[in-house]
Amino acid sequence: DTAVSQTPKYLVTQMGNDKSIKCEQNLGHDTMYWYKQDSKKFLKIMFSYNNKELIINETVPNRFSPKSPDKAHLNLHINSLELGDSAVYFCASSTGTSGRRDEQFFGPGTRLTVL
Amino acid sequence: AQSVAQPEDQVNVAEGNPLTVKCTYSVSGNPYLFWYVQYPNRGLQFLLKYITGDNLVKGSYGFEAEFNKSQTSFHLKKPSALVSDSALYFCAGGDQGGKLIFGQGTELSVKP
Repeated sequence: DTAVSQTPKYLVTQMGNDKSIKCEQNLGHDTMYWYKQDSKKFLKIMFSYNNKELIINETVPNRFSPKSPDKAHLNLHINSLELGDSAVYFCASSTGTSGRRDEQFFGPGTRLTVL
Repeated sequence: AQSVAQPEDQVNVAEGNPLTVKCTYSVSGNPYLFWYVQYPNRGLQFLLKYITGDNLVKGSYGFEAEFNKSQTSFHLKKPSALVSDSALYFCAGGDQGGKLIFGQGTELSVKP
């Protein structure tokens, strides 16, 4: 049983397109996150949701819009894709409301390549 | 500003030897510190965390980490390295805003 799953695993697209990445967790966790890992493997949080409510919104271009239809799902929609958006995007979840003290469970990642 | 630093990009160890992956932190308030491991083309896996209590924290796969408040360090250790331990290791700290701040990662290579 996959705890945190993401689809698709790979996404190759042209500049200017709009794309979505889906994330689902079956752990019963209340909080979900999106992270971006760049080509140098540096990881940075983008968003955090708790029970469908946005609680962390880092300095991310507004072309990125997270959507949480229920607490088990957190999708990431990206408009007008740019070359610099190429990265690996990780979804994660944790129990409780504190991303500060609760261990997080990560999905396998979605490798986005913008041509 | 709160930060987590991993001073070594790469650590090379012979199988069977002890390993240490270094981490230093700068966070306000009580530090909440974590180690995660990332195998190639995989997501991060939680290894261990320090919230409070004993300075020596034991985690998965035989790893442990030592919290040192005076040196603001949280080094990851294992007494005897395995080739299968080769991976990318991340130290992370929880900041006051509820986020995890990650270090830049250390590539551990264990040779037979």
